[in-house]
Amino acid sequence: DGGITQSPKYLFRKEGQNVTLSCEQNLNHDAMYWYRQDPGQGLRLIYYSQIVNDFQKGDIAEGYSVSREKKESFPLTVTSAQKNPTAFYLCASSEDRFNQPQHFGDGTRLSIL
Amino acid sequence: RKEVEQDPGPFNVPEGATVAFNCTYSNSASQSFFWYRQDCRKEPKLLMSVYSSGNEDGRFTAQLNRASQYISLLIRDSKLSDSATYLCAVTPSNTGKLIFGQGTTLQVKP
Repeated sequence: DGGITQSPKYLFRKEGQNVTLSCEQNLNHDAMYWYRQDPGQGLRLIYYSQIVNDFQKGDIAEGYSVSREKKESFPLTVTSAQKNPTAFYLCASSEDRFNQPQHFGDGTRLSIL
Repeated sequence: RKEVEQDPGPFNVPEGATVAFNCTYSNSASQSFFWYRQDCRKEPKLLMSVYSSGNEDGRFTAQLNRASQYISLLIRDSKLSDSATYLCAVTPSNTGKLIFGQGTTLQVKP
């Protein structure tokens, strides 16, 4: 089945640790996105990539990093510089930047130990 | 002012009721508009795109009012299973980004 796969579903981070969230899609979509959602809040854009080997900062990029070495993969690293990382992280993709809408993976819940 | 705003609710309605949500956007050059449904602790799922002429999908009707810069979602004959948070999303101009509202929570009661 075509879709977006995020892993792991749950992740715990220790103080000072970097963690990486995986996002893979087999939809042949050009554009991919990372969002953060806090309880009772909407989605805030962290980073997005419109094509392989290119990505842009979203509204809340500080403390996060990404790479887009392959079309199907867009991993997100939550660095130790992100002081409040506990949230629900959602990855999405769309055919291209002009051809929304976006479709989402089922998310990763990150918590601090 | 937020780029995309929704009344968070909750909207509590009885089964069978008709309920409508609005979503306002600030960028008059916005191009694409969508409604998503999000169940508790799940990912958002696309409910419907919103077209200029308005569009309907079963019990759901979406409208766009460019003059007043809002979109709406009407749900007729509400079901218990419609209980969820409804997020609107807007593409401001040619940015390649979607801006989401914070969501409106709907509770349909027996």
